Amino acid sequence: AQSVAQPEDQVNVAEGNPLTVKCTYSVSGNPYLFWYVQYPNRGLQFLLKYITGDNLVKGSYGFEAEFNKSQTSFHLKKPSALVSDSALYFCAVRFPYNTDKLIFGTGTRLQVFP
Amino acid sequence: DAGVIQSPRHEVTEMGQEVTLRCKPISGHNSLFWYRQTMMRGLELLIYFNNNVPIDDSGMPEDRFSAKMPNASFSTLKIQPSEPRDSAVYFCASNANKNNEQFFGPGTRLTVL
Repeated sequence: AQSVAQPEDQVNVAEGNPLTVKCTYSVSGNPYLFWYVQYPNRGLQFLLKYITGDNLVKGSYGFEAEFNKSQTSFHLKKPSALVSDSALYFCAVRFPYNTDKLIFGTGTRLQVFP
Repeated sequence: DAGVIQSPRHEVTEMGQEVTLRCKPISGHNSLFWYRQTMMRGLELLIYFNNNVPIDDSGMPEDRFSAKMPNASFSTLKIQPSEPRDSAVYFCASNANKNNEQFFGPGTRLTVL
């Protein structure tokens, strides 16, 4: 079945430390992958996407993600976490390939402690 | 650009009442999506339109739910009759084409008593 998995419900990290939020996917064909962030009582905001090209994608607020085809992963990373990064993060994959439809993961809550 | 606009932001109603949620997509976007978010089920796609035509409504829970897009700048999601299990945050999103990201509205928090 086509899907996106975010194996961690919550990630805790100290401010200033690097952070990683994991995402793996299972779709046929070349995946189009997205990361979104949701702050409390807000809609989802786009962070970055991988369509094609360089496997390392840079996005908003200093976030980046690396597409790894062999591991079918698209982990979100940031070199130095901020308390203001605390939010709910969603990975998504476009499927079916030729449509606008996104399949979202279950979300990972990132908590950055001062 | 005002972004995706949703109204109302909050709706409290009693079981059995009709509820209508409204969405104005970003001007020039040709796809519109309705999502529902709950703690139990996460973020679910209910239906999406392309050029005002419903493309995939496989996520609509049951016949009590209906959605329309009469023109490129307006869509409604209607629940009739509403039930307590419909309580959720409903998001509308739009995008310009399938390679682009979706832009989400602020959501409508629906509480059915």
